[in-house]
Amino acid sequence: EVQLVESGGGLVQPGGSLRVSCAASGFTFSSYWMSWVRQTPGKRLEWVANIKQDGSDKNYVDSVKGRFTISRDNTKNSLFLQMNSLRAEDTAVYYCARRFCGGGTCYPNDFDFWGQGALVTVSS
Amino acid sequence: QSALTQPASVSGSPGQSITISCTGTSTDFAGYYFVSWYQQHPGKAPKLIIYKVSNRPSGVSDRFSGSKSGDTASLTISGLQAEDEADYYCSSYARRITLDVVFGGGTKLTVL
Repeated sequence: EVQLVESGGGLVQPGGSLRVSCAASGFTFSSYWMSWVRQTPGKRLEWVANIKQDGSDKNYVDSVKGRFTISRDNTKNSLFLQMNSLRAEDTAVYYCARRFCGGGTCYPNDFDFWGQGALVTVSS
Repeated sequence: QSALTQPASVSGSPGQSITISCTGTSTDFAGYYFVSWYQQHPGKAPKLIIYKVSNRPSGVSDRFSGSKSGDTASLTISGLQAEDEADYYCSSYARRITLDVVFGGGTKLTVL
């Protein structure tokens, strides 16, 4: 059974840092692009970042470039998001998500498995 | 503000059909097939129900169907059931300065 389990969320002050993690199991983690997607308190979904199977390609939404870093450890089946210089608008539930491959193609906006989410609150 | 525009809410009675639209611009859809739809029940993670405009992942009911015309994608749910009450989000791959995954603002479906 595919499972994605996030951890590391919490309350942090503006300007602070936090690292969220995602433990993957039930599939060959090293074979998949992985993403972080966040959901704001207003329920808006926003893609944050993704990373290629071997970590050689990473992409970010403009609003987090230079502040967030996505990484992975394929030996530990784990995905990470290091968040620095946090702002109030970064407050959200952070989901890790696996890229879905259907019909022989894998599109960046298709995610077939999601974790349960980690709540990150940025507030003084 | 979301890149893709969806109605905030739709409603229908059991057994009826409803359609949710998802409107963008030409740059919001980097390619024809870059449209997917997600269903989200309260307190749960989103679930992929449509990918590549009109394809259903294994296990998704055939009551869910998708289509696209121009810069508007649509999700149709036929034979509404109480369990369909949820939030629905469209998603695409958009041509910005870089290529980004974008989502619609979400539509709350109420089954009357």
